[in-house]
Amino acid sequence: DSGVTQTPKHLITATGQRVTLRCSPRSGDLSVYWYQQSLDQGLQFLIQYYNGEERAKGNILERFSAQQFPDLHSELNLSSLELGDSALYFCASSVSGIGPQHFGDGTRLSIL
Amino acid sequence: DQQVKQNSPSLSVQEGRISILNCDYTNSMFDYFLWYKKYPAEGPTFLISISSIKDKNEDGRFTVFLNKSAKHLSLHIVPSQPGDSAVYFCAAEDGSGNTGKLIFGQGTTLQVKP
Repeated sequence: DSGVTQTPKHLITATGQRVTLRCSPRSGDLSVYWYQQSLDQGLQFLIQYYNGEERAKGNILERFSAQQFPDLHSELNLSSLELGDSALYFCASSVSGIGPQHFGDGTRLSIL
Repeated sequence: DQQVKQNSPSLSVQEGRISILNCDYTNSMFDYFLWYKKYPAEGPTFLISISSIKDKNEDGRFTVFLNKSAKHLSLHIVPSQPGDSAVYFCAAEDGSGNTGKLIFGQGTTLQVKP
């Protein structure tokens, strides 16, 4: 158990819809990261927050947004969903903004 | 453009033997490297890391070697156990931006046969 909690585990929705994925980091970790793993690709970095502030951005689509709240949990919002957004979305956390990251078990998003 | 490459999609070894997983990178700004193990339906689990100022780091059965001139790193598992069967990801951290952004390889599936 990594201590990182992601909800929900599975999400099935339709094209055009909007969903919110939630992540609670390990106790004491200030930084949260979001990654996407599609079938034909490895883990792709989306975005990083550190203590509530955005620290780094990867290839995150404009339809996607994220935030980190004062209690350090984070949410990833995906809107105007397309079939290609079907993927595993992982959240990770770390104590500082660098170094080893600890991953949750992911949210599997299926777009029908 | 893949900056971190794991050219072997799969590897099969006998229990008790050595497993060697390889990883190549292209960006000379990478200064910290990590290996993760992933079982089905679980998130990646951190295994071992190495800073670019070192060429070797050991933790129990796991040793990571870094060859900066060749931009190559490898993970050695000795002795291999059936429970080591999983997907192994190599990852690199870009030290230039003071972020924790990790660039992952595509992964190598290791099968350890009893």
